[in-house]
Amino acid sequence: EPEVTQTPSHQVTQMGQEVILRCVPISNHLYFYWYRQILGQKVEFLVSFYNNEISEKSEIFDDQFSVERPDGSNFTLKIRSTKLEDSAMYFCASSETGFSNQPQHFGDGTRLSIL
Amino acid sequence: GENVEQHPSTLSVQEGDSAVIKCTYSDSASNYFPWYKQELGKRPQLIIDIRSNVGEKKDQRIAVTLNKTAKHFSLHITETQPEDSAVYFCAASMTGNTGKLIFGQGTTLQVKP
Repeated sequence: EPEVTQTPSHQVTQMGQEVILRCVPISNHLYFYWYRQILGQKVEFLVSFYNNEISEKSEIFDDQFSVERPDGSNFTLKIRSTKLEDSAMYFCASSETGFSNQPQHFGDGTRLSIL
Repeated sequence: GENVEQHPSTLSVQEGDSAVIKCTYSDSASNYFPWYKQELGKRPQLIIDIRSNVGEKKDQRIAVTLNKTAKHFSLHITETQPEDSAVYFCAASMTGNTGKLIFGQGTTLQVKP
């Protein structure tokens, strides 16, 4: 069964540094998402992306965050100047379409630790 | 704003018993309700979903029911097994074409052998 893959599995970064989290969505999927989960808390929506542009973003997704699809397979989340509160598990997800009744498949996540 | 409330936060059952987890949503325009199972340190895994034009859906030991009038939906697991132990998240997706999921707070299910 095809899977969403994410790299790295764990990223440790000094506060103020930039990080890029990478995702390879399922190949025939067209909609891509980033979610985050602070330890012990619920999963929170960050951003959805379709046709090379952001479809929707949450209040969490401020100017420090950006997403990109640099080629035909990768989907990246960049945090420009990390803060301690950015420490969380970041999940990438993809779905075949973005209509609000299509299953989203999640990757294994990247655990981001900000020191 | 959009919100999904989930109860209980923890649930402990004996192996073989049933488990029920309940969620309520705030936006009546929601039309898609998936359930995810998350084992420790792993990805949320979709286990079942229901759309607003259906009142109930079953898949072996798992069922989901939806009450649109009351704006709540529930996950039912029958004949629980120790491997069902995990955190379960409900979610709701609002109308529109972004697919954004709003998650509940999660329920930690422990199935005692």
